[in-house]
Amino acid sequence: AQSVSQHNHHVILSEAASLELGCNYSYGGTVNLFWYVQYPGQHLQLLLKYFSGDPLVKGIKGFEAEFIKSKFSFNLRKPSVQWSDTAEYFCAVPAYSGAGSYQLTFGKGTKLSVIP
Amino acid sequence: EAEVAQSPRYKITEKSQAVAFWCDPISGHATLYWYRQILGQGPELLVQFQDESVVDDSQLPKDRFSAERLKGVDSTLKIQPAELGDSAMYLCASSSPGQGPYFGPGTRLTVL
Repeated sequence: AQSVSQHNHHVILSEAASLELGCNYSYGGTVNLFWYVQYPGQHLQLLLKYFSGDPLVKGIKGFEAEFIKSKFSFNLRKPSVQWSDTAEYFCAVPAYSGAGSYQLTFGKGTKLSVIP
Repeated sequence: EAEVAQSPRYKITEKSQAVAFWCDPISGHATLYWYRQILGQGPELLVQFQDESVVDDSQLPKDRFSAERLKGVDSTLKIQPAELGDSAMYLCASSSPGQGPYFGPGTRLTVL
């Protein structure tokens, strides 16, 4: 079964700093990958997803992620973070479960704290 | 914008008691999921429904947990009896082909 690992448990940045959160996946075949964000007190929201095509995926709120097959990575990036980006970020790998649906296996998450 | 609804948002119970959580998916979403998120970890799938049928409940502790989606719309997750280790956030999500999964706000369960 596919899995993902997020090695950074907690990242602290100042506003305007650049962000890169690591995500590595374990499976070498066809890979699809998601990034979700969970703001304090809010539900999980989809930031972006990669299924195929351009390995550079752009998501909401200025986030992007690059799929690098040779490195088994799908790191999340943002050039300049804001205090409002303070949240927990989860990388996830979907497994097709029939009828157009997917089961998600999540990483342990990375908590991002942005200092004003 | 349509959202997944869950209730209650918070539940405190004593161990050995029964608890139930309710989820109303986004209208038209045939697939419904229940996930459990322990503090400091990512969500883990408990059960997946396609309409009223269970697709996968391999990670559901069936000795104490049950889930149903009788009419293929809303769903209930029950724990009986609750144990201390069940304290967690219980998340419901729904999806349709090419859309989602979209998550609800969750029910935070505390077992005393």
